[in-house]
Amino acid sequence: GAGVSQSPSNKVTEKGKDVELRCDPISGHTALYWYRQRLGQGLEFLIYFQGNSAPDKSGLPSDRFSAERTGESVSTLTIQRTQQEDSAVYLCASSLMRGYEQYFGPGTRLTVT
Amino acid sequence: DQQVKQNSPSLSVQEGRISILNCDYTNSMFDYFLWYKKYPAEGPTFLISISSIKDKNEDGRFTVFLNKSAKHLSLHIVPSQPGDSAVYFCAANENTGNQFYFGTGTSLTVIP
Repeated sequence: GAGVSQSPSNKVTEKGKDVELRCDPISGHTALYWYRQRLGQGLEFLIYFQGNSAPDKSGLPSDRFSAERTGESVSTLTIQRTQQEDSAVYLCASSLMRGYEQYFGPGTRLTVT
Repeated sequence: DQQVKQNSPSLSVQEGRISILNCDYTNSMFDYFLWYKKYPAEGPTFLISISSIKDKNEDGRFTVFLNKSAKHLSLHIVPSQPGDSAVYFCAANENTGNQFYFGTGTSLTVIP
């Protein structure tokens, strides 16, 4: 079956512009996570969605970051007024439900110039 | 603060020998631990997990050991194969939490 997909795979943007990253989770997976991986660092939790419950936004680094998810389908991560320190690989993962192993997408490599 | 630590950024092992990747954690409330494998330009893929009620879990060539008193887990790969060359991440979470905490990864190179 289809895995987690993310688009775009690469995004280069100018400082100050807004970007939108998309994640298509595995069908039937109720939990969805966004992570960020900066060069040479581990995965940094950003936000978690579980079904129709209120998302856990505790990992979002600033109010320039926001994410949406409609039901148990597609999610979008939006970064407004991008800064150079936002350059990273943004990974999306889904799991059957909270606490189960996560299946990751290939990531979106964001470069802010 | 890094709640899950992988202190060895890289490891090289001869094909056929054992690879041992280590991971330490600080939060005693963690009760579920996982290992992921990551190839370049791909997302991490789930490898093996262990819950805190066990101290060992085996799946083919992969075995994860958990030492709760030392807050330490390790992944053993035996025999190691060149295709195992990848970055390995350990991760942990607590049953009541939403977050999975990841280590910084260990890059394993298996030399043919």
